[in-house]
Amino acid sequence: QKEVEQDPGPLSVPEGAIVSLNCTYSNSAFQYFMWYRQYSRKGPELLMYTYSSGNKEDGRFTAQVDKSSKYISLFIRDSQPSDSATYLCAMIQGFQKLVFGTGTRLLVSP
Amino acid sequence: NAGVTQTPKFQVLKTGQSMTLQCAQDMNHNSMYWYRQDPGMGLRLIYYSASEGTTDKGEVPNGYNVSRLNKREFSLRLESAAPSQTSVYFCASSVILGQGVEKLFFGSGTQLSVL
Repeated sequence: QKEVEQDPGPLSVPEGAIVSLNCTYSNSAFQYFMWYRQYSRKGPELLMYTYSSGNKEDGRFTAQVDKSSKYISLFIRDSQPSDSATYLCAMIQGFQKLVFGTGTRLLVSP
Repeated sequence: NAGVTQTPKFQVLKTGQSMTLQCAQDMNHNSMYWYRQDPGMGLRLIYYSASEGTTDKGEVPNGYNVSRLNKREFSLRLESAAPSQTSVYFCASSVILGQGVEKLFFGSGTQLSVL
């Protein structure tokens, strides 16, 4: 069983929809939770990170962590075609020990 | 702002050939990384370097060697390429945001095919 599970998608939504992207994990030692966005033929870039359970908001993006269920989510409000990308969750176990999910491909159609 | 620069962008090798992937960063970061990305497997760490002069194995180091030439440059070498090394390779450097959280800055990747 992988330490981090993520549905590969693709997830197709119309412009303006609310998008929910999710990851589950098995390792209770994970301390920090991150979301990276990766456009086609580009390297990933950090979107958001959070530590504790609860929500963290940044513009149209909200990261949510439920440590009791070992479940994290990224919500995108008012989705745009420019949000079309692969979203990778990542979890930190310790210094320089980062575990990535496989990524969910999101397609937002105009 | 160049950030993290990788060369080459594409490469095709025959089984048994060798090659070196080059990476340079201009952000004065101490830590640098090499990852490979495969469908269904996600990003997996090959090697990392916490500072100039040090290197450590990651999750999948077999078949690879690295050199941290100076603070800016971190190269990845395939001594005898195998088809299983067909992948997209990413170099990254990092900065500590605080509380043990590192932000990785990735290059654009090298798409490698081994025939």
